[in-house]
Amino acid sequence: EAGVAQSPRYKIIEKRQSVAFWCNPISGHATLYWYQQILGQGPKLLIQFQNNGVVDDSQLPKDRFSAERLKGVDSTLKIQPAKLEDSAVYLCASSPQETQYFGPGTRLLVL
Amino acid sequence: RKEVEQDPGPFNVPEGATVAFNCTYSNSASQSFFWYRQDCRKEPKLLMSVYSSGNEDGRFTAQLNRASQYISLLIRDSKLSDSATYLCVVGSTGTASKLTFGTGTRLQVTL
Repeated sequence: EAGVAQSPRYKIIEKRQSVAFWCNPISGHATLYWYQQILGQGPKLLIQFQNNGVVDDSQLPKDRFSAERLKGVDSTLKIQPAKLEDSAVYLCASSPQETQYFGPGTRLLVL
Repeated sequence: RKEVEQDPGPFNVPEGATVAFNCTYSNSASQSFFWYRQDCRKEPKLLMSVYSSGNEDGRFTAQLNRASQYISLLIRDSKLSDSATYLCVVGSTGTASKLTFGTGTRLQVTL
């Protein structure tokens, strides 16, 4: 069974630029999550989708971050404009029920 | 107070040793509990769920104490391949829902 796919794997941008990340969840998984993991910390939930609806985006910095999950499958996470403190790994996870399965992540460096 | 607290370590143990990690959580309404393993520069992967009755999977034993809001993971007969960061994870409901991750405890098993 194919796992959660993410792209790109790495991205380097300058502050104030914009960036987008893509996630393709495991087929049939209704729930999709985006996490931010800063070096030395655990993953922090940014947004949770159930099909194409947002369940929880309370920790998403909405002034610069946005996410969508059109058609309830793939999802994109965008940062505009990026700040230095956005340097982190952005993890996508999907879930059919209780267990979450993570993708390999996108490592973002903001200079 | 952090929602999920763990000792970041590192724990340096020789091969064959027994090592225990502890974790405390602040939300008494939490319903689901997990240990995830994260290798360096990789995504988190589910190690095991944690139940009030305690559960064992080979060399790994997990315990939950709801009264003390405390979770533990015991690894017996440590292997070099057990070297990783172990993330304590607490869920808000019994099904796929908001998970809160601890900072992780780093384990290094040496010869």
